[in-house]
Amino acid sequence: DAKTTQPTSMDCAEGRAANLPCNHSTISGNEYVYWYRQIHSQGPQYIIHGLKNNETNEMASLIITEDRKSSTLILPHATLRDTAVYYCIVRGLMSGNKLVFGAGTILRVKS
Amino acid sequence: DSGVTQTPKHLITATGQRVTLRCSPRSGDLSVYWYQQSLDQGLQFLIQYYNGEERAKGNILERFSAQQFPDLHSELNLSSLELGDSALYFCASSVGASGSHQETQYFGPGTRLLVL
Repeated sequence: DAKTTQPTSMDCAEGRAANLPCNHSTISGNEYVYWYRQIHSQGPQYIIHGLKNNETNEMASLIITEDRKSSTLILPHATLRDTAVYYCIVRGLMSGNKLVFGAGTILRVKS
Repeated sequence: DSGVTQTPKHLITATGQRVTLRCSPRSGDLSVYWYQQSLDQGLQFLIQYYNGEERAKGNILERFSAQQFPDLHSELNLSSLELGDSALYFCASSVGASGSHQETQYFGPGTRLLVL
């Protein structure tokens, strides 16, 4: 499965959009990009996932570049409660049964 | 609320002891996964069960074992506990067997284990 690279930390002003990048330059055609977040030692929370097309749900939007080598998770109006560690995970046939978590990005939303 | 429940929330025990962590999956989910999160190792996959059978194994120690019961709840047994076993233990569940990369896993709130 492809490795991912995320910034260690990011800050965002409350009410503004938070854009979290993820690089997955070795992703292959059948691998999905998943995003989870973990708020202060709580259980990881599923946010969104996608293969090729951009995706949107009630929590966030996922923008995947045309070459699929990178993606951006967008929280449209960040609140203080969005402060968390955000994990970008690439899942394919090799990982199938498990999620492989990296270090993630610590997002701090500030008032 | 993901629909996955875990008990207990906190557990404090001594080295050499044995503990059992319990997980109930979301209604309708047949697969249960266990993950360990320690300060130095991050979140790591331990084991998966599907409908009562072991399906995949990760970095699970021989001192640890798990099972899934007919009602689909799962238990993770940790024995001969060491200080280094102190961690958060999370259970996740998903619908099917394959743990396909198209299948979303939903996590419970975790059990915090402290070994003294």
